[in-house]
Amino acid sequence: ETGVTQTPRHLVMGMTNKKSLKCEQHLGHNAMYWYKQSAKKPLELMFVYSLEERVENNSVPSRFSPECPNSSHLFLHLHTLQPEDSALYLCASSQGGSQVSGNTIYFGEGSWLTVV
Amino acid sequence: KNQVEQSPQSLIILEGKNCTLQCNYTVSPFSNLRWYKQDTGRGPVSLTIMTFSENTKSNGRYTATLDADTKQSSLHITASQLSDSASYICVVPSGGSYIPTFGRGTSLIVHP
Repeated sequence: ETGVTQTPRHLVMGMTNKKSLKCEQHLGHNAMYWYKQSAKKPLELMFVYSLEERVENNSVPSRFSPECPNSSHLFLHLHTLQPEDSALYLCASSQGGSQVSGNTIYFGEGSWLTVV
Repeated sequence: KNQVEQSPQSLIILEGKNCTLQCNYTVSPFSNLRWYKQDTGRGPVSLTIMTFSENTKSNGRYTATLDADTKQSSLHITASQLSDSASYICVVPSGGSYIPTFGRGTSLIVHP
């Protein structure tokens, strides 16, 4: 138990569906992240919310939409995804926000997404 | 371009043996380097963080080294156990940026 909980753990959705991934952290951290991990590829940072300000990787397509209602909860809304979006989506949190400061990032167990 | 290269891509060793994983980076400016362990189907877990002034840091049977001059780091695992089978990922944050650079990881398999 890392203190970062993701639901659902597994999700299968069609290309026309709308679904959401949920993340909750119980560590009192003030920064939360979404990462994408595809097979045989490095982890890719998608979005960061630090002190409720969003920072995003400009290469993330608009069919992924994050929402951070407070410092403990993070959502990833999915809309009209493509089969190549099938991957493991990892939520993470840290205290301090910037990874430059050396703060450890705590990852959730991930949500396995399959787009059919 | 910021890059993190890890080698070998995969490694198979016998239980009880030692092994060393390598990480070369070109990220600049440098602030710190992290090693994570990721078990299959689970999220990565931090093993160690190396800052610019640190050359060696140990965490149990794991020992990380850092040479900031050659921009190389290694992770040495002593007396391997079956539970060490996992992917080991090297991560270097880009200075001043929230977007870190991840290595592709080394897949380690420990056989009994």
